[in-house]
Amino acid sequence: DAKTTQPNSMESNEEEPVHLPCNHSTISGTDYIHWYRQLPSQGPEYVIHGLTSNVNNRMASLAIAEDRKSSTLILHRATLRDAAVYYCILRDWVRYGGSQGNLIFGKGTKLSVKP
Amino acid sequence: DGGITQSPKYLFRKEGQNVTLSCEQNLNHDAMYWYRQDPGQGLRLIYYSQIVNDFQKGDIAEGYSVSREKKESFPLTVTSAQKNPTAFYLCASSTGGDNEQFFGPGTRLTVL
Repeated sequence: DAKTTQPNSMESNEEEPVHLPCNHSTISGTDYIHWYRQLPSQGPEYVIHGLTSNVNNRMASLAIAEDRKSSTLILHRATLRDAAVYYCILRDWVRYGGSQGNLIFGKGTKLSVKP
Repeated sequence: DGGITQSPKYLFRKEGQNVTLSCEQNLNHDAMYWYRQDPGQGLRLIYYSQIVNDFQKGDIAEGYSVSREKKESFPLTVTSAQKNPTAFYLCASSTGGDNEQFFGPGTRLTVL
């Protein structure tokens, strides 16, 4: 199974950029890299996803290593509202017999943002 | 407003009782999912459904059952066979494929 490794926790100051790393050395060629975040006592929300090229959206940027064995989620200016658990996820084709859209969540990185 | 709703927000049950958690979406999504989250842990997939009248077991389906009679509804029943049912339960939906999943607010189930 493709799996990811993330630091348990990170701290950031408000209005500074945050780089959240993720290692996925066993990623397969067709696995997309997804990022979700979860605020306390809420359901996760989608942040961004990509395959090979770097991706940008209104929430964040995703930088993917050339060998795809690691990626970094970049929050350009952290706000207090960005304090959450961030999950780096690979879709697992094999486990679910090719069914699409199933996400395997790890423990994620708990991001704290200081004012 | 389009979205996904779960009810109730908090649920208490006695040991040995079955209980059904509701999940409704008006996003016209084909795929729906149920996850379980324990304190300090990530989410684990219980069941998923890619289309009406079809569903598949996830990683931890034992002690749970689901139905998908309508596109917008995917109720989860926690049966008495589930040994450790106290957890936070999350429902999600998507258009399928590699598209993002939209999550509901969750139901916190406590077994007394």
